[in-house]
Amino acid sequence: DAGVIQSPRHEVTEMGQEVTLRCKPISGHDYLFWYRQTMMRGLELLIYFNNNVPIDDSGMPEDRFSAKMPNASFSTLKIQPSEPRDSAVYFCASSPAGGTSGELFFGEGSRLTVL
Amino acid sequence: KQEVTQIPAALSVPEGENLVLNCSFTDSAIYNLQWFRQDPGKGLTSLLLIQSSQREQTSGRLNASLDKSSGRSTLYIAASQPGDSATYLCAVRGNQFYFGTGTSLTVIP
Repeated sequence: DAGVIQSPRHEVTEMGQEVTLRCKPISGHDYLFWYRQTMMRGLELLIYFNNNVPIDDSGMPEDRFSAKMPNASFSTLKIQPSEPRDSAVYFCASSPAGGTSGELFFGEGSRLTVL
Repeated sequence: KQEVTQIPAALSVPEGENLVLNCSFTDSAIYNLQWFRQDPGKGLTSLLLIQSSQREQTSGRLNASLDKSSGRSTLYIAASQPGDSATYLCAVRGNQFYFGTGTSLTVIP
């Protein structure tokens, strides 16, 4: 398997622009997680899905952030409008069914810079 | 809420030394514990996964232990090498994954 695939790897945009980050989880994984990583706050969970259904979005910073998972092989994280404080590395990760078996696999991340 | 702590935050050792990284968690009701490695500018790479019913897992020079009752895990790295320099994170799985803040390891040639 190719692993978790994220795009774009790097995004530079101006404040106020819309940003869309994309993720393809590992085939057969039931869980998909979006994380944000910064030096100041470390790794933060934004939202996670189980079988394409959002389970916990309490980590989403504010209404400017939204995430969707229209099918088992694709998810997006959208920021509209973007702000400089959104600059971070955004990771997508996937895991097989929960319980004792679930190992977490990360993508390479999308580095976002908002000017 | 589950809290995961990693001590020390940074560690510097000479090449060849054996070392131990620590991870502690507050809620013992976990499904598993996972150790990751992160190189600068890269994603997190899974090193070892320990199920809640297991005591330890080994992979090459790495050995991870789990003591659920005391809320502790250790990652033992034998005969450290400069290529081991990275940040090491632990994560415990409850209804979601809870991460520690990591230990930044530098192995000096």
